[in-house]
Amino acid sequence: DAGITQSPRHKVTETGTPVTLRCHQTENHRYMYWYRQDPGHGLRLIHYSYGVKDTDKGEVSDGYSVSRSKTEDFLLTLESATSSQTSVYFCASGTDIGQETQYFGPGTRLLVL
Amino acid sequence: QQQVKQSPQSLIVQKGGISIINCAYENTAFDYFPWYQQFPGKGPALLIAIRPDVSEKKEGRFTISFNKSAKQFSLHIMDSQPGDSATYFCAASAGNTPLVFGKGTRLSVIA
Repeated sequence: DAGITQSPRHKVTETGTPVTLRCHQTENHRYMYWYRQDPGHGLRLIHYSYGVKDTDKGEVSDGYSVSRSKTEDFLLTLESATSSQTSVYFCASGTDIGQETQYFGPGTRLLVL
Repeated sequence: QQQVKQSPQSLIVQKGGISIINCAYENTAFDYFPWYQQFPGKGPALLIAIRPDVSEKKEGRFTISFNKSAKQFSLHIMDSQPGDSATYFCAASAGNTPLVFGKGTRLSVIA
């Protein structure tokens, strides 16, 4: 398995609080992604990065921001969490933007009360 | 707009049977079509992928069939086993754009 980890694995927070999820990969992959997975919606791309400090929006980026200061780390921030952001969040990494294997992390289960 | 439509949403198959999951797309620029498998509590993992220059790709019991003219592709799991019980996602991408995933199919293989 590609070395990709996420922290925390579980988090409960309250509406209006900021939340940061961390993704760390040891494969020196150029591309990193944040997805959310919800029943009936599958995997939806939030943001992705194509290099250090280079990021772009995905399908469901409203309410989320990202940062990538090092190749191995990709942070997802919910500036002010809402109940609609309760979800399972997956990070992934890969060597190509969409044409090669994406390696997924184990996921972070976030509950916003 | 849903770019990749996946069906069925759920599927129950007897052990030893054939599981078939279908996906359809509209964007004719798509040129890479992977399938991901996800077990409960885990992240998805690439199962098999195909490019439009071939109509079929087989890896063990898993086969992708691709119909370019119909803009459809499907996953066939032969001799389905209880260990195949998982959620399956089709996906597609075009050139240097991110993958777009279908909504997933929950497969249950019963003995």
